[in-house]
Amino acid sequence: SQQGEEDPQALSIQEGENATMNCSYKTSINNLQWYRQNSGRGLVHLILIRSNEREKHSGRLRVTLDTSKKSSSLLITASRAADTASYFCATISSGDKLTFGTGTRLAVRP
Amino acid sequence: SQTIHQWPATLVQPVGSPLSLECTVEGTSNPNLYWYRQAAGRGLQLLFYSVGIGQISSEVPQNLSASRPQDRQFILSSKKLLLSDSGFYLCAWSDPGARAFFGQGTRLTVV
Repeated sequence: SQQGEEDPQALSIQEGENATMNCSYKTSINNLQWYRQNSGRGLVHLILIRSNEREKHSGRLRVTLDTSKKSSSLLITASRAADTASYFCATISSGDKLTFGTGTRLAVRP
Repeated sequence: SQTIHQWPATLVQPVGSPLSLECTVEGTSNPNLYWYRQAAGRGLQLLFYSVGIGQISSEVPQNLSASRPQDRQFILSSKKLLLSDSGFYLCAWSDPGARAFFGQGTRLTVV
């Protein structure tokens, strides 16, 4: 079963705008990760945030984690057409079980 | 550096035929290994994962099985494919509690 649920399911924005995606999960986690997938390809890791961290930055990416609400958000600033992809959150729970959310399809219009 | 190999990239198999998808990892030892299935436009469904040789956790037993005959080899199998087994299969590895690295995937079409 899916551990996470992303919101929104699909997002369309203009190049240069910011994109925000949210993820909710159900069980206790060790860390939460965000991945990107281009159509028909494998997933690529973007960023990992540990359960004792609240915010993390990597380039144009900003991730927040609220363990009390069991939620996380991914912000992509100054989006580019090349950011068009599906984005997934993933959690690692006990026993190193890595489960993914349902994903957000992001389309960035040039 | 570590690499992951997954093959074949595409596969068309008739209903009732067997399946064997192989995934191998290089450049690391005792990795966690994962098999996922992804329906078109959907999320990743965890099928099996393994934290060591001979240790397989099954999330979706159904018509599939997995084996880990060697430390860095993970095999997904079926004795008789069903139409519903069609999908995009992804293999991944990770160090415990760390980021995962994915293969390029196998697109399986059962006809």
